[in-house]
Amino acid sequence: EIVLTQSPGTLSLSPGERATLSCRASQSVSSSYLAWYQQKPGQAPRLLIYVASSRATGVPDRFSGSGSGTDFTLSISRLEPEDFAVYYCQQYGSSPLTFGGGTKVEIK
Amino acid sequence: EVQLVESGGGLVQPGRSLRLSCAASGFTFDDYAMHWVRQAPGKGLEWVSTISWNSGSIGYADSVKGRFTISRDTAKNSLYLQMNSLRPEDTALYYCAKGNTYSSSSHFDYWGQGTLVTVSS
Repeated sequence: EIVLTQSPGTLSLSPGERATLSCRASQSVSSSYLAWYQQKPGQAPRLLIYVASSRATGVPDRFSGSGSGTDFTLSISRLEPEDFAVYYCQQYGSSPLTFGGGTKVEIK
Repeated sequence: EVQLVESGGGLVQPGRSLRLSCAASGFTFDDYAMHWVRQAPGKGLEWVSTISWNSGSIGYADSVKGRFTISRDTAKNSLYLQMNSLRPEDTALYYCAKGNTYSSSSHFDYWGQGTLVTVSS
């Protein structure tokens, strides 16, 4: 099983700042099958990024994904008020599919 | 517009059974893998089970293997999760999610709003 470790657990930033979230895998993620999801309180997760760096439909271009192998990053160039949420990475290259523990981006 | 609507959750005693349903619309159901993902109160996301487009490939998390069964009905555009021998640690919000391809190796491009399962005596 591929274990995904997200860091930091909580990121305290101000609107307008840049956010950098990390997702590290215990072994290489096949074909860069790594996705990122955003979840706000009381809502279902929303797909942001797939195959490590492709933005999902309707996702603003301030969100970007990068990485390969075992190290992946989600960047938010300038935080908007609606971006404060919990972010999860997920690998879907091998079974079982696994999620990271999440990074909460909170308002400083 | 893609819609996924879960139902069937509720309060159930340990050891009992429950069947979750997910009604899908807005896309060609037969063409995509489907998934169940759960989230315990205040916790992160946990993948539960996956079924490929033609039910030829099915997978389960170790935590539910042998107790849960995933299935789909193309005539009804519906996904199901039969949950037997329920345990308190199965308490969670259960989401139905659409895969982006026919394959089990797919990310989840649409999610339902979830149905809450509470296992308690």
